Amino acid sequence: EDQVTQSPEALRLQEGESSSLNCSYTVSGLRGLFWYRQDPGKGPEFLFTLYSAGEEKEKERLKATLTKKESFLHITAPKPEDSATYLCAAGDTGANNLFFGTGTRLTVIP
Amino acid sequence: NAGVTQTPKFRVLKTGQSMTLLCAQDMNHEYMYWYRQDPGMGLRLIHYSVGEGTTAKGEVPDGYNVSRLKKQNFLLGLESAAPSQTSVYFCASSYARGRDEKLFFGSGTQLSVL
Repeated sequence: EDQVTQSPEALRLQEGESSSLNCSYTVSGLRGLFWYRQDPGKGPEFLFTLYSAGEEKEKERLKATLTKKESFLHITAPKPEDSATYLCAAGDTGANNLFFGTGTRLTVIP
Repeated sequence: NAGVTQTPKFRVLKTGQSMTLLCAQDMNHEYMYWYRQDPGMGLRLIHYSVGEGTTAKGEVPDGYNVSRLKKQNFLLGLESAAPSQTSVYFCASSYARGRDEKLFFGSGTQLSVL
């Protein structure tokens, strides 16, 4: 059964304190691992797509990595404006929809 | 550039009432989707469309219907609303699936069914 699990559910960081968010996925064939950012009251906003194990992508203070079973979103020296819920989703080559995790709610304290 | 626009933003219904949510995109995307987001659960796909005139069921289609008469619009209908349909509904569109799959989401509709 296709499944995506994110941890932790919530994370509080001091400004400048680096950390990582985890996304574990189970799909029969991965067509893509996606990261989105969601601010309160808004729709998710695309961040990254990863396609194969070993792939990495970066954007400002964010870096996403992928293994055969997990993806990590590394946040380096976060700022308060990085506070948001980060969603992970996996696409299965045998299914039409994306399977979303429940998200990690990140709070960065000044 | 508006992107994906959803209307209305908020709606309250009584059990048994019907309503239609409208989604419009101005990016000439082929693929359009309706998701619902509930606390403690990930976004779940209700219905989707791979092009004008096509629709297909997603993960949780029961109680909903959709239509895509024009490429830019995707309508989600609730024929007889139930309290279990209280949720935040998001429309999304994408240019492709696979290597260029990138969903653009609307800002959501908060629906409460009493």
